[in-house]
Amino acid sequence: GEDVEQSLFLSVREGDSSVINCTYTDSSSTYLYWYKQEPGAGLQLLTYIFSNMDMKQDQRLTVLLNKKDKHLSLRIADTQTGDSAIYFCADCSFGDKLIFGTGTRLQVFP
Amino acid sequence: KAGVTQTPRYLIKTRGQQVTLSCSPISGHRSVSWYQQTPGQGLQFLFEYFSETQRNKGNFPGRFSGRQFSNSRSEMNVSTLELGDSALYLCASSLLDRGGAQFFGPGTRLTVL
Repeated sequence: GEDVEQSLFLSVREGDSSVINCTYTDSSSTYLYWYKQEPGAGLQLLTYIFSNMDMKQDQRLTVLLNKKDKHLSLRIADTQTGDSAIYFCADCSFGDKLIFGTGTRLQVFP
Repeated sequence: KAGVTQTPRYLIKTRGQQVTLSCSPISGHRSVSWYQQTPGQGLQFLFEYFSETQRNKGNFPGRFSGRQFSNSRSEMNVSTLELGDSALYLCASSLLDRGGAQFFGPGTRLTVL
């Protein structure tokens, strides 16, 4: 079945760039998403990319998609303490069913 | 435009009871999906509705059911609650028939004692 994998933790210094990686197995993915979850909150949609795109940039966020390797990454430029949260990668292939990764906990230290 | 709203935000039930959770999508969105989030299993898809029809269902027992009304609002029901049903239940809505941005509500935190 479909599977999405992410590393569990990432720690960066404030002002540096963060890169969160994700791999997926489904060859028929149509959209890939990045969500942010803060403690006690729901999921905030950060950005998403259509499977025929290689890159998408949105202010401090850059998404790179390597469809051949089934690898997705999210780069956050100039990371701030407010970016500390759990980041989820999600794959969508069949209808609107999202398959989520385990989430990467990003910790930003001063 | 108001976001996805879910009620109630918190709920405490005992084993064997049943519960109904409600979700109001963003105005104009016709697709509503439900997810369960637990520390052990992570985020798992429950079901998806579009125009009052269930189009997709996850791998959950029949105790979990849902429906969607003509105004796109959706409810999910869990009968005969078990301790393992304790979770954050998240609802998401989408404008498009297929794909595109999916926006989540704040969730309902269900605790089963």
